Amino acid sequence: NAGVMQNPRHLVRRRGQEARLRCSPMKGHSHVYWYRQLPEEGLKFMVYLQKENIIDESGMPKERFSAEFPKEGPSILRIQQVVRGDSAAYFCASSPEAEGYTFGSGTRLTVV
Amino acid sequence: AQSVTQLDSHVSVSEGTPVLLRCNYSSSYSPSLFWYVQHPNKGLQLLLKYTSAATLVKGINGFEAEFKKSETSFHLTKPSAHMSDAAEYFCVVSDTGTYKYIFGTGTRLKVLA
Repeated sequence: NAGVMQNPRHLVRRRGQEARLRCSPMKGHSHVYWYRQLPEEGLKFMVYLQKENIIDESGMPKERFSAEFPKEGPSILRIQQVVRGDSAAYFCASSPEAEGYTFGSGTRLTVV
Repeated sequence: AQSVTQLDSHVSVSEGTPVLLRCNYSSSYSPSLFWYVQHPNKGLQLLLKYTSAATLVKGINGFEAEFKKSETSFHLTKPSAHMSDAAEYFCVVSDTGTYKYIFGTGTRLKVLA
């Protein structure tokens, strides 16, 4: 049973481009969470999704950020028109119920 | 509101000596508490978790933590540090039965030869 798979591991984008981060949850897990880790900080909650539903997006920036978890395929975190301040590590976690996470290895986004 | 305070941003110990990483929490309800470790450019690995069973929790790699409600603390310890323990450690709190984790700012452990 593979763990939570995130890709790409590293992503470099120029300012103004779009970034797409993918997360495939563990088999049997229908709950997905995204967290962001800014340099020298702890992780901060962004969004909680179940299949085809956003349950809690209270940690998402109001603009340029969106997330989805379609019926088929991975969860996607999308950042439009990236800025330098978006440079961070983005972690996805999944769980079979609404607690008891397994984290992925993260995607490190660098905006140049 | 929940919060977590990791009292030391950096800790240095010599190999073979004890490790103590301190964590205090604030939670309105019965908390779940966790310690995660993050090696450089790696993901997060769960070391141990407390969910209102035994107050002394044993984790992987010889780590353990004690839940002290009266002190609102959940300090992480290990009797003898190994070079491979050098990493960043995060204390995490969530209200039992909820999904949102609150992370501390981390403690970077350095192990000296």
